[in-house]
Amino acid sequence: QQQVKQSPQSLIVQKGGISIINCAYENTAFDYFPWYQQFPGKGPALLIAIRPDVSEKKEGRFTISFNKSAKQFSLHIMDSQPGDSATYFCAASIMGNTPLVFGKGTRLSVIA
Amino acid sequence: DAGITQSPRHKVTETGTPVTLRCHQTENHRYMYWYRQDPGHGLRLIHYSYGVKDTDKGEVSDGYSVSRSKTEDFLLTLESATSSQTSVYFCAIRPGQGRETQYFGPGTRLLVL
Repeated sequence: QQQVKQSPQSLIVQKGGISIINCAYENTAFDYFPWYQQFPGKGPALLIAIRPDVSEKKEGRFTISFNKSAKQFSLHIMDSQPGDSATYFCAASIMGNTPLVFGKGTRLSVIA
Repeated sequence: DAGITQSPRHKVTETGTPVTLRCHQTENHRYMYWYRQDPGHGLRLIHYSYGVKDTDKGEVSDGYSVSRSKTEDFLLTLESATSSQTSVYFCAIRPGQGRETQYFGPGTRLLVL
């Protein structure tokens, strides 16, 4: 049972464009939704996270949009740069209680 | 890498041999996790620990065991390695006490021949 479904599997975006990655979850008890960024040969690192009491969170060029009724959340990367090329993972958990459940990842390539 | 080291970083072993991977943290965090990463599967939880000698199974625990005798060390053992356990293994830590961020180590690349 895949609790967090992530799409697309891969994404190619032109430099300066908007990258959008989507995730859907099953468990309505989830209350913590982070996004992780992973560069080749490195461990994943937290990029941005949101809790369900807000519908959007923005940090620089990165924005999470959250739709509780649809059980979906997405990552938007504005003005995408070649340095953003990485694999992105969404995840979900019940705060303080359960380990993170990860989506399968999206490989983003930003081309000049 | 938030004070996390993994050893070894690379290992090649043969089918049927036991293998132990070590995760060491300097942060004194309560929670520690072992994940494996495979193409098309993302990060899958193997085992985790919520304190010394307190561990629990994750999604893909078959063929793996863990031990945590000290706060700073979390060991993952493959009792009898199989080719299906060829993977990249990541350790992660989390402070707890309302702090949800998981910090990942650099990973161990394991090849089972």
